[in-house]
Amino acid sequence: DIQMTQSPSSLSASVGDRVTITCRASQTINSYLNWYQQKQGKAPKLLIYAASTLQSGVPSRFSGSGSGTDFTLTISSLQPEDFASYYCQQSFSIPRTFGQGTKVEIK
Amino acid sequence: EEQVVESGGGLVQPGGSLRLSCVASGFTFNTYTMTWVRQAPGKGLEWVASMKEDGSDIYYVDSVRGRFTISRDNAKNSLYLQMNSLRAEDTAVYYCTKGGAAGGRFHPWGQGTLVIVSS
Repeated sequence: DIQMTQSPSSLSASVGDRVTITCRASQTINSYLNWYQQKQGKAPKLLIYAASTLQSGVPSRFSGSGSGTDFTLTISSLQPEDFASYYCQQSFSIPRTFGQGTKVEIK
Repeated sequence: EEQVVESGGGLVQPGGSLRLSCVASGFTFNTYTMTWVRQAPGKGLEWVASMKEDGSDIYYVDSVRGRFTISRDNAKNSLYLQMNSLRAEDTAVYYCTKGGAAGGRFHPWGQGTLVIVSS
């Protein structure tokens, strides 16, 4: 199984900050990497797919990069509605594994 | 608008059974792999099972293989998860989502249905 490791597990940031979350795969997954946002008590929402493609309707302050084993989700200027948990997920092989999540909290 | 809606969750005793349903709308259901993902209370997301559009390929996470069965009825735009021999560690919110094919993504997601396994 491919293990997905996110860092950090949590972070505190202020509105307007630039935030970076990393995701590392235990083996190469090419660019088969997706990012999701989940707010408390809500279903996950797709943000970015294929490592760097922004899902329709997602604000342009979100961006993704990387390939192979190392990936990054960046929020260029954190907004109040961005405080949530973020998960990476690989679609390279079965089982389709998720990272453990990164909780973004208000400083 | 693409949408999936789950139902069928509830409280069940250990060793019991439950059948979850998911109805899809807004997309051509019979052309997509469909997937169940779960989230235990306070924990992260766990992929559970996926089924190809024509039922030719079915995949399960090891922890549910032999106990859970994913199925679909393309005529009814519906996906199902039959859960048998339930354990306390199966307690979770179960989400239905479109996607799951190699290289694909999960979108959209339903609101989830809560399964509690407890005596």
